[in-house]
Amino acid sequence: DIQVTQSPSSLSASVGDRVTITCRASQSINSYLNWYRQQPGKAPELLIYFASGLQSGVPSRFSGSESGTDFTLTISSLHPEDFATYYCQQTYTSPHTFGQGTKVDIK
Amino acid sequence: QFQLQESGPGLVRPSETLSLTCTVSGGSISSSSYLWGWLRQPPGERPEWIATVYYTGTPYYNPPLRSRVTISVDTSKNQFSLRLNSVIAADTAVYFCARRGRGHFGDAFDIWGQGTLVVVSS
Repeated sequence: DIQVTQSPSSLSASVGDRVTITCRASQSINSYLNWYRQQPGKAPELLIYFASGLQSGVPSRFSGSESGTDFTLTISSLHPEDFATYYCQQTYTSPHTFGQGTKVDIK
Repeated sequence: QFQLQESGPGLVRPSETLSLTCTVSGGSISSSSYLWGWLRQPPGERPEWIATVYYTGTPYYNPPLRSRVTISVDTSKNQFSLRLNSVIAADTAVYFCARRGRGHFGDAFDIWGQGTLVVVSS
């Protein structure tokens, strides 16, 4: 199975901060990397698909990029609802696996 | 727009069968553009994909669970279902149903149900 490793596992930030989260795949996944936000007690919400595609309805403060097997989610300016856990997911080969998550909490 | 809703028992006894149904509203489950899947998330852990089905009934399973899982679709009711046999305590999780793009949206799960907590306990 392809492994996806997220970093950091947690971070503390303030409203308005710029935040970056990284996901590294264990092999080439040809941009098949998605990002989700999960607020406490809710289902994951798709933010970015295919490494850099912004899902319809998602604010433009979210963006995704890639460099080889490294993928980055950037939040340009944190809003209160962004204090949540973020997951990456590879969909290049089955089983489609998730990273271990990055929890963003209030500094 | 599409909405998904899980239903089923919240408590299942060890060694018994977990059965869940996902009702799709706001659109047809028979669309050629999507697949329909089940995922689960144990408390404090990452989501885990369980299985996916196409409206024709073609199933796809996560290999570690394949021997215990059956996914099916009922297009007349706009529903799809999950059965997990011989459950153990480690199967305790929030179970989500979700819609997956077929060849678009990076094959991501773009619409999710709210999730239902299933506890395995005697």
